[in-house]
Amino acid sequence: GENVEQHPSTLSVQEGDSAVIKCTYSDSASNYFPWYKQELGKRPQLIIDIRSNVGEKKDQRIAVTLNKTAKHFSLHITETQPEDSAVYFCAAINSWGQNFVFGPGTRLSVLP
Amino acid sequence: DSGVTQTPKHLITATGQRVTLRCSPRSGDLSVYWYQQSLDQGLQFLIQYYNGEERAKGNILERFSAQQFPDLHSELNLSSLELGDSALYFCASSVATDGAGGYTFGSGTRLTVV
Repeated sequence: GENVEQHPSTLSVQEGDSAVIKCTYSDSASNYFPWYKQELGKRPQLIIDIRSNVGEKKDQRIAVTLNKTAKHFSLHITETQPEDSAVYFCAAINSWGQNFVFGPGTRLSVLP
Repeated sequence: DSGVTQTPKHLITATGQRVTLRCSPRSGDLSVYWYQQSLDQGLQFLIQYYNGEERAKGNILERFSAQQFPDLHSELNLSSLELGDSALYFCASSVATDGAGGYTFGSGTRLTVV
């Protein structure tokens, strides 16, 4: 089955700096890669996603890149703000509709 | 409001008891997924239903069971509860069977077993 690894597990950055979170997956059939943000005590919310036929996607301050050959994808947050502080989860899913497999999460702290 | 409704929001029960968690998916979504999130832990996939049928199974204990009804709402039944079952249980829904387009999560049910 699919296995998703995520690094780092915790990340602290100064406000205004960039943050990068990396994930690797094992199943070459995976073709959809979403990122979720979970604030303390709240539900995970989809913030950006990418399909395997695209190498990069950007939405304002956040971007996701995908390297299918290396089986890794990354979340990039620029000009970080305190409200970006949360736990971020990556996930991978294949076209056969198997369950989402989430990475273990990255706790991002943006220091003012 | 995400459109996915979970009830109850909080549940406190004793060890050995049985509880039922309920989830109503977003309108038009046919897939329902259940996840368990223990304190400071990740999201552990339990089970998926699509249009009333079980589609995928994750690390779901034999003491746990679920079903999806004709109106597409789903229930997760947890029996012979143990202290370690205390967790936040999320339901998510998606329109597609493979979750493409992303999940929409409900607000979760926080279960405390004492």
